[in-house]
Amino acid sequence: EAQVTQNPRYLITVTGKKLTVTCSQNMNHEYMSWYRQDPGLGLRQIYYSMNVEVTDKGDVPEGYKVSRKEKRNFPLILESPSPNQTSLYFCASSFVGNNEQFFGPGTRLTVL
Amino acid sequence: EDQVTQSPEALRLQEGESSSLNCSYTVSGLRGLFWYRQDPGKGPEFLFTLYSAGEEKEKERLKATLTKKESFLHITAPKPEDSATYLCAVQADAGGTSYGKLTFGQGTILTVHP
Repeated sequence: EAQVTQNPRYLITVTGKKLTVTCSQNMNHEYMSWYRQDPGLGLRQIYYSMNVEVTDKGDVPEGYKVSRKEKRNFPLILESPSPNQTSLYFCASSFVGNNEQFFGPGTRLTVL
Repeated sequence: EDQVTQSPEALRLQEGESSSLNCSYTVSGLRGLFWYRQDPGKGPEFLFTLYSAGEEKEKERLKATLTKKESFLHITAPKPEDSATYLCAVQADAGGTSYGKLTFGQGTILTVHP
């Protein structure tokens, strides 16, 4: 089944404790992206990647890191999480040149 | 800076009552405008891509249209299963760079009552 998977789905952590949210897709998509969704602010793009080893900033990259060492994986790293990073995070992927993005199920992160 | 504004924020319809959702955008040059549907607790699901003014796309009871400043999502004779949040997004044509940057609107919450 074609899908984008994210882990974990739910995470409660404390300020400053490094964490990684994984994202994996099985559709051989070149393009992958991370978004956060907050009430009243909608979906905002954090980082995106056009292919392996190619990443670029979205609208809200501060406090986040990403890496793209393999085509299927695009982890989101929070080196020192803060409460303002409490949010619902979505990973998405698509073929380059085709804007039909497939979204993962979301990761709900709470930073205390 | 690219901007996307959707209206109304929420829309309540009776089953069969047709209506339209609006997406106004400001972008330096439009590469594409996208519509997504999002059900509660799930990730967005792709509906349409529109590339140029005058273009229209249809899928079941939904039809998306595009002008130089806005897009409409027309819903004809909606059913309760059409209840969802509808998201609009734009991708700027940044001279070949920043292809992957997308800007989303805040969405319209549609509720269709039986």
